[in-house]
Amino acid sequence: DIVMTQSPESLAVSLGERATINCKSSQSVLSDSNNENFLAWYRQKPGQPPRLLFYWASTRESGVPDRFSASGSGTDFTLTINSLQAEDVAIYYCQQYYNTPRTFGQGTNVEIK
Amino acid sequence: EVHLVQSGAEVRKPGESLKISCKASGYSFNNYRIGWVRQMPGKGLEWMAMVYPGNSHTIYSPSLQGQITISADRSISTAYLQFSGLKASDTAIYYCARHLTRDSYNDAFDIWGQGTMVTVSS
Repeated sequence: DIVMTQSPESLAVSLGERATINCKSSQSVLSDSNNENFLAWYRQKPGQPPRLLFYWASTRESGVPDRFSASGSGTDFTLTINSLQAEDVAIYYCQQYYNTPRTFGQGTNVEIK
Repeated sequence: EVHLVQSGAEVRKPGESLKISCKASGYSFNNYRIGWVRQMPGKGLEWMAMVYPGNSHTIYSPSLQGQITISADRSISTAYLQFSGLKASDTAIYYCARHLTRDSYNDAFDIWGQGTMVTVSS
């Protein structure tokens, strides 16, 4: 199985400041066939199902505010929230869909400082 | 509008069986894989299995193979997750989720059901 490791596990950021979450995969999730990274980011608010934020590592899902950005390739990926808003308090997960079983990171809890 | 609506919360005793459902609407059910994801209380997300309704092809997580069965009924656009011999450790929220792209094998989940809480307790 591909192991997805997120850091930090928890993050407290002041309103309006930047939050950065890292995700590292135990093997590359970059496809030779289409040169895409099979990596997604999700946000889960309490009591809700996850919501897709990014796929192919950096393609923003429709409706996701542009203060969110994502980057990375191979084994190292980053989700950035610029100018954190109160509604961004949530747990953020990365997921690889390169292999089965698909695997998620353990989650990063983003809070307001 | 695309929706996945899951069946309601369930309480079962250890050893009992259970089948929960995920009804799709607003898109061509046959052409999008549906996955099942588990979230144990206070824990993260765990991918369990996926099914392609068009031909009922299934893939399971090796850690859960033999413990669960997933299926899809194309006539009513509904996917199922079935348990046999429930254990207390099966207590969790179970989500169904749809692949982003039609006919894709490797893909993110763009539409999620609301979740079904399953409690296994004697």
